[in-house]
Amino acid sequence: EVQLVESGGGLVQPGGSLRLSCAASGFTFSSYWMSWVRQAPGKGLEWVANIKQDGSEKYYVDSVKGRFTISRDNAKNSLYLQMNSLRAEDTAVYYCARDARYSSGGTHYWGQGTLVTVSS
Amino acid sequence: SYVLTQPPSVSVAPGKTARITCGGNNIGSKSVHWYQQKPGQAPVLVIYYDSDRPSGIPERFSGSNSGNTATLTISRVEAGDEADYYCQVWDSSSHHRVFGTGTKVTVL
Repeated sequence: EVQLVESGGGLVQPGGSLRLSCAASGFTFSSYWMSWVRQAPGKGLEWVANIKQDGSEKYYVDSVKGRFTISRDNAKNSLYLQMNSLRAEDTAVYYCARDARYSSGGTHYWGQGTLVTVSS
Repeated sequence: SYVLTQPPSVSVAPGKTARITCGGNNIGSKSVHWYQQKPGQAPVLVIYYDSDRPSGIPERFSGSNSGNTATLTISRVEAGDEADYYCQVWDSSSHHRVFGTGTKVTVL
């Protein structure tokens, strides 16, 4: 059974940092693109970043470029999102997602999400 | 950046057919994926690569994609289909994954 379990969310002040983690199991982690997707309260889904199987390609939505860094450790079956210079508008539930073997594929599995709240 | 536009809401009576559109420039040249999200839950993939269904998704869910519009069709709608639905594509020019604005389906 595929499982994605996020951790690391919480309350942080504007300008602060947070590191999200996603523990993956039930599939060959190193064979899939992985993404972070977020959803602000009462709003729609927003893709944040994704990373290729070997980490050689990373892409970001413009609003987080230069502030967020996606990474993965295939030996630990883990995905990460380092978030710096956080803003109020980054407040959202952050989902870890397993994409396809190809970057154009659908997202077949999602974690349950971790809430990040940026507030003073 | 690539933009996907969906109607904010669609209402449908039980047993009828709901059609949710996703508009984008020449979207027919891209692969479209559809997700269902119920309140407080993570999204669930219901259609991928325009018209394929993941295992466990009822045949009542189908998809099509042509020109500037992709469509998710839900036949014989049930109360349990009430949810938010999002389309998604991969934009090859930016390498970004893009979600539509979302459509709330209400079963009357």
